Amino acid sequence: LAKTTQPISMDSYEGQEVNITCSHNNIATNDYITWYQQFPSQGPRFIIQGYKTKVTNEVASLFIPADRKSSTLSLPRVSLSDTAVYYCLVGVPNAGKSTFGDGTTLTVKP
Amino acid sequence: DAGITQSPRHKVTETGTPVTLRCHQTENHRYMYWYRQDPGHGLRLIHYSYGVKDTDKGEVSDGYSVSRSKTEDFLLTLESATSSQTSVYFCAISESASGGASGANVLTFGAGSRLTVL
Repeated sequence: LAKTTQPISMDSYEGQEVNITCSHNNIATNDYITWYQQFPSQGPRFIIQGYKTKVTNEVASLFIPADRKSSTLSLPRVSLSDTAVYYCLVGVPNAGKSTFGDGTTLTVKP
Repeated sequence: DAGITQSPRHKVTETGTPVTLRCHQTENHRYMYWYRQDPGHGLRLIHYSYGVKDTDKGEVSDGYSVSRSKTEDFLLTLESATSSQTSVYFCAISESASGGASGANVLTFGAGSRLTVL
């Protein structure tokens, strides 16, 4: 299983762009990279998924370099409501082969 | 939320007692998972199921068993609870994020069950 490493915490201010990086040096060929957001007393919620290069949806972008040993979640123009814990997941859940990072607590200040 | 219901949502029990947590889904998903979440450890997979009566172990399966006798229900049992099993337990299902591409499944989680073992 790929071991994943994320920063424990990050602070930002409203309106700024936030980039959270996840390191996964031993990612396997078939592994996908998925990011989740979790608010207190709730289950994690899907944000974005990618395999290589760049993926963008309505809430975030995901940058994956060619060697795929890291990935960066980019949140444009954060607001107070983006204060949450963000997890990267590397692997293939359906094969029982996936690993969550320990999560990054993002605090957005006014 | 993919119709996932976990019960009970909160439970306090004593060391050595059996505990069963239930996960119920209403959308006929094939794959179901049990995770535990502890401070400093993120989410760790306990067991997962890929169909009725088809289950497999995750990275922290010791002390836990599961059963899936019908598609909609996935049960997690602690035969003899210990204080180290105090945790928040999440059930999840997986579904395709992009129209059925293999390996691109994403997880949808239930609201969690908080278990305290005294």
